[in-house]
Formats: sequence, C-alpha cells, structure tokens
Amino acid sequence: LAKTTQPISMDSYEGQEVNITCSHNNIATNDYITWYQQFPSQGPRFIIQGYKTKVTNEVASLFIPADRKSSTLSLPRVSLSDTAVYYCLAMDSSYKLIFGSGTRLLVRP
Amino acid sequence: GAVVSQHPSWVICKSGTSVKIECRSLDFQATTMFWYRQFPKQSLMLMATSNEGSKATYEQGVEKDKFLINHASLTLSTLTVTSAHPEDSSFYICSAPQAGGAGELFFGEGSRLTVL
Repeated sequence: LAKTTQPISMDSYEGQEVNITCSHNNIATNDYITWYQQFPSQGPRFIIQGYKTKVTNEVASLFIPADRKSSTLSLPRVSLSDTAVYYCLAMDSSYKLIFGSGTRLLVRP
Repeated sequence: GAVVSQHPSWVICKSGTSVKIECRSLDFQATTMFWYRQFPKQSLMLMATSNEGSKATYEQGVEKDKFLINHASLTLSTLTVTSAHPEDSSFYICSAPQAGGAGELFFGEGSRLTVL
C-alpha cells in the first residue's frame, strides 16, 4: 500500500479556502486517493475520492495531476466546524487502509 | 450513505476483565470488517481484518490471543479485549466496505475503552 505524506498541521481563518496537499510517490495503478475527516472521539468520515484529474462534491474538491504522485484537497470557505484532522489515503480494492499522521486543521474566527 | 454502528460507545472496566465491542453494518452486508486502535493525539492503527466465516488476519505486533475477533454474520463483527490492562485503554474503531459500493469505506463511531 502506498505511503502518503501530508503536512502535520495547518491554520486558517473562517471563510478562507484551504488546500491540503498530499504526496504519494509510490501510488499503485489500482489505488484511489481518498480523504477522510476525523473529529475528536469520532470515527473518520468520508470526504471525497478520486483517481485522477478533478473531482468535486458538495463539501470539497480533489485535484490529482496526471502523474498521480500528489493530490490536493480543497475546502472552500471553511468554518469553525471544519477544525478536524484530515487524512489522505491510497485505497485499493482490498479496502485495507494504512493511516498516516494526517493534517490537523485549525480554523480560527 | 451506509451506516456502521459500534457498541458500546464507551466502557470502563477493571484490570483483568474482558470487554467485548460490537461492530454492526446496519443497512448492508459486510464480508470484511477492519478494526483500528487510536491513542490520544495519534493516528489510527490497523489491528486486524475480520472475515465473515473465517479467521481474522492480524497485523504484525497485534496479539491474536489478546484481541479476539469474531465475524459470525454478514452484519456483525466483535472485538474482545481479553484480560484488559490499563495500557489497552484506547479508542477502538471498526470499518466496513459496502459490497458493490462505490469504493467507500464506512467507519463506526468508535468505542472508548478505559481500563482502571
């Protein structure tokens, strides 16, 4: 399973756009890039998943360049409630996930 | 979306006792479930893969006799922490993929175990 690397922490302010970049140099052909959000004392919650190019849903966008060695999660106009840990993961058909350290996002008023 | 539920959400027990945590897929069948452990301020660590009707597969360093996993039906997997000690205190989380789904893995709410 591909190892992912992302910043340990990020700070932002309400209303700003937040971009979290993840590096996955050894991603396999069958891997999908998947992002999860986790609040304290809760299980991770699915945010978005993509294979390449751009994927957008109601909460985020995911940008994956052609070489797929990195990806960027974009959160538009964050609010205080977006303060959480965000995990970037490479997922294959086994669904076996190896979590990295994640990125602790702090949104300030 | 699909729902995975854990019970209990928190439990406190005395050292030396055994504790069972249940993980249920409420509206879908799951032939595979995963168990994770998470210590404060740390990431999730995969403990084992639970397989319906067969033995669980444990990750390196996880004691199979300590953490008993049973996946007796397509909607239920249980994790039993045997002879629990304070160092077993942690947040235990299960997850399950929905067969035929869109590649999403659903997580339970987690179970907080505190061993006194």
